[in-house]
Amino acid sequence: DTEVTQTPKHLVMGMTNKKSLKCEQHMGHRAMYWYKQKAKKPPELMFVYSYEKLSINESVPSRFSPECPNSSLLNLHLHALQPEDSALYLCASSQVIGGSSYEQYFGPGTRLTVT
Amino acid sequence: DAKTTQPPSMDCAEGRAANLPCNHSTISGNEYVYWYRQIHSQGPQYIIHGLKNNETNEMASLIITEDRKSSTLILPHATLRDTAVYYCIVNWGNKLVFGAGTILRVKS
Repeated sequence: DTEVTQTPKHLVMGMTNKKSLKCEQHMGHRAMYWYKQKAKKPPELMFVYSYEKLSINESVPSRFSPECPNSSLLNLHLHALQPEDSALYLCASSQVIGGSSYEQYFGPGTRLTVT
Repeated sequence: DAKTTQPPSMDCAEGRAANLPCNHSTISGNEYVYWYRQIHSQGPQYIIHGLKNNETNEMASLIITEDRKSSTLILPHATLRDTAVYYCIVNWGNKLVFGAGTILRVKS
């Protein structure tokens, strides 16, 4: 099973709302990632979790708050977003062995619209 | 910033081989060459990766030049479903930096 699932598929939220994006994988991967992709642009890395600990934060605004409650789940909590945060949010996972490089498996993404 | 250069777009006839080039002249000795693709409105899909040797799997072949400064992804028999954006990424560790990629259009 090489599947990464993301919920919801689509989300519309107001600027004062609080919402969460969820990501799940059952491949035994111990690294999980959040990417943001604006229309017609490549994905941009936001956060990396390794063994459930935040290892990379690409200077993401605090209105995005990641959480990794266990090795299979990754959440992205959203609060006080701006319309320019509207994008496709992608989750990915990969192995972590000896700090080497492994392929990442991506979910289908959550299409977020901030009104 | 991305460390690769790819042509913005390419066309390929259905059933023919698609050869997608990538330049990575500043690649470091421990960096791998990865290829991903993204079909419209879907998440990126891993295709193949390599360090020095040529690699082949069920999806594609990866040819890396001896000096490692460039590579070519080969889809041996392109189908309409291979129409996508193809990203070439050089990477060590878990931080992928995507460039603009190549839009491959497979035409019947």
